[in-house]
Amino acid sequence: KAGVTQTPRYLIKTRGQQVTLSCSPISGHRSVSWYQQTPGQGLQFLFEYFSETQRNKGNFPGRFSGRQFSNSRSEMNVSTLELGDSALYLCASSLAAGEYAEQFFGPGTRLTVL
Amino acid sequence: GQNIDQPTEMTATEGAIVQINCTYQTSGFNGLFWYQQHAGEAPTFLSYNVLDGLEEKGRFSSFLSRSKGYSYLLLKELQMKDSASYLCAVRDRDRGSTLGRLYFGRGTQLTVWP
Repeated sequence: KAGVTQTPRYLIKTRGQQVTLSCSPISGHRSVSWYQQTPGQGLQFLFEYFSETQRNKGNFPGRFSGRQFSNSRSEMNVSTLELGDSALYLCASSLAAGEYAEQFFGPGTRLTVL
Repeated sequence: GQNIDQPTEMTATEGAIVQINCTYQTSGFNGLFWYQQHAGEAPTFLSYNVLDGLEEKGRFSSFLSRSKGYSYLLLKELQMKDSASYLCAVRDRDRGSTLGRLYFGRGTQLTVWP
């Protein structure tokens, strides 16, 4: 069974640009969560989607948005990039959106904002 | 908000036992997870606790005390490959939803020496 895939793996952008990251969950998984990981802040929750609906959102500005498609694939978008958005963006999928939801992480997209 | 604390760094020698502590303060509690993350890789799931007590899984065990807001991960018979960051994560209970957000500690960097 293929794992969680994320594209692209690496991305370099400049301030003010916008970026779209993609995540394909494990086949059969319907829940997708996004995280931002930086050395200073660690892993921080961005949002969680289940059945195309955003179920939870972390404390990030409105420049960060996401969506989930009917095939459970998810995208996240960051507009008006800032230097501080440089981070590893991780996507995790789980079978369901229940209390016990073991999350399987993808390899991440390393975003560098210059 | 949520507050999850764990030591920044720990060191141990091969064959030894190490205990990584995690304390948390959350608005609700819906489970505690431990993840392992090797440098440059995505986190991988180790354990899940939702009830008080010890969960054992091979060389790894995890303990939870909900009344104390405390958990630990116990690693026995340490091996060099156990050198990694260990992340404690708590899922809170979101009002009006069966889901809660997953909050991560900043991770404990464990170094195992020969």
